[in-house]
Parts: sequence; structure tokens; C-alpha cells
Amino acid sequence: DAKTTQPPSMDCAEGRAANLPCNHSTISGNEYVYWYRQIHSQGPQYIIHGLKNNETNEMASLIITEDRKSSTLILPHATLRDTAVYYCIVRVAHEAAGNKLTFGGGTRVLVKP
Amino acid sequence: NAGVTQTPKFRILKIGQSMTLQCTQDMNHNYMYWYRQDPGMGLKLIYYSVGAGITDKGEVPNGYNVSRSTTEDFPLRLELAAPSQTSVYFCASNLHRGYEQYFGPGTRLTVT
Repeated sequence: DAKTTQPPSMDCAEGRAANLPCNHSTISGNEYVYWYRQIHSQGPQYIIHGLKNNETNEMASLIITEDRKSSTLILPHATLRDTAVYYCIVRVAHEAAGNKLTFGGGTRVLVKP
Repeated sequence: NAGVTQTPKFRILKIGQSMTLQCTQDMNHNYMYWYRQDPGMGLKLIYYSVGAGITDKGEVPNGYNVSRSTTEDFPLRLELAAPSQTSVYFCASNLHRGYEQYFGPGTRLTVT
């Protein structure tokens, strides 16, 4: 799986959009970009994933650059409950050996009132 | 659905003791996983299973064993606990390849 690079931490004001960048310059054509988050002391929670098109769901939007070498997770209206570590993961979606996730250091997001 | 459940929530072991971490999911998921998370670090895969009777090693399998006799259960066994196994252990599952993984609440293990 391709390696990802994320900033170690960022702050965000409550009610504002949070834009979380992720670099994955060695991504392969069949690798997806996944985002998970981990709220303190809890198990990781799936947020969103995409291949090359932008994606949106009830939690967030995922913007993937045309060359697919980077992406941005957008939390449109951050709340205090969005304070968490956010992980960007790149992996092949349909590999025969299962869906192993490789977690890097992630971005520690602190939403401030 | 209860989702993915793990027991116990907390455990303290002495060096050399053994224990089994339990993981159960009620979503009829084929794939199940065990991860460990050391303080301030990301998760590392210990073992995974693609279905009942099939298991395989992940990134850090040494010191652990698993079995998958049913679709629902995926216990993780520590035979000779060592201080290096002090960590938070997460179990996860998903239905098919490429689907999102659902994580349990974790088991916090301390070996002294």
C-alpha cells in the first residue's frame, strides 16, 4: 500500500470548515483513499473513501486531486465532537488477502469553541 | 445489532501469564481483524481472518495466536505475556473486500 503523509496536528474553530490534507504521491491506479478517525480511547470510525471522483456523505467530503497524489477531507461545520485523530489510508480495495488497514500517525484535530 | 463487542475492557497481567481477548460481531461479517495500538501511535495489524477456519498473520503476530471456529467469534490468545504487549487491542470486522471496517471499543492490557 502507498505511504501517506499528514500534518501531525491542526486546530479548527467550532462551526467552521476543517480541511485536512493528505499526500499520497506513490498511489497506484487501483488504490483507494480511505479516511478514518479515532476519538479519544475509542475504536477507529470509518468516515469516507474514494478512488478518483470527489465523494460526499453525511459526515464529510473527500476531494481528490486529478493526479490523485493528494486529497483533502473536509468537515463542513466542525463541532467539538469532531476532535479526534484523523487517519488517511491508501489501499487496494479488492485485494485477495482481505482489507488490512495500515495506520500512520494521522492528524490530531482539535476543535476549539 | 450490538456491532463488534470486546471483553474484557481492562486487564492487568503479570509477566508470563496467559489470557484470551474475546471479540464477537453480530453482523455476519466475513472478515475480522485484531490490531494493537501503543500510546501515541497508529494501529498495527496482528492477525486477520477472511472467514471461519481461515486465519493469517499481519504485521506484528509474534506472541499471539488466533482461531476462527465460527463467523461471529475471533479470540486473540496471549500465551506468555511480556511487558512489550502492554497496549490497547482493537478488534474489527467487515462484510466484503473493500467495505468499511467496524471497530470494537478496545481492550486495554497492561503487563507488569
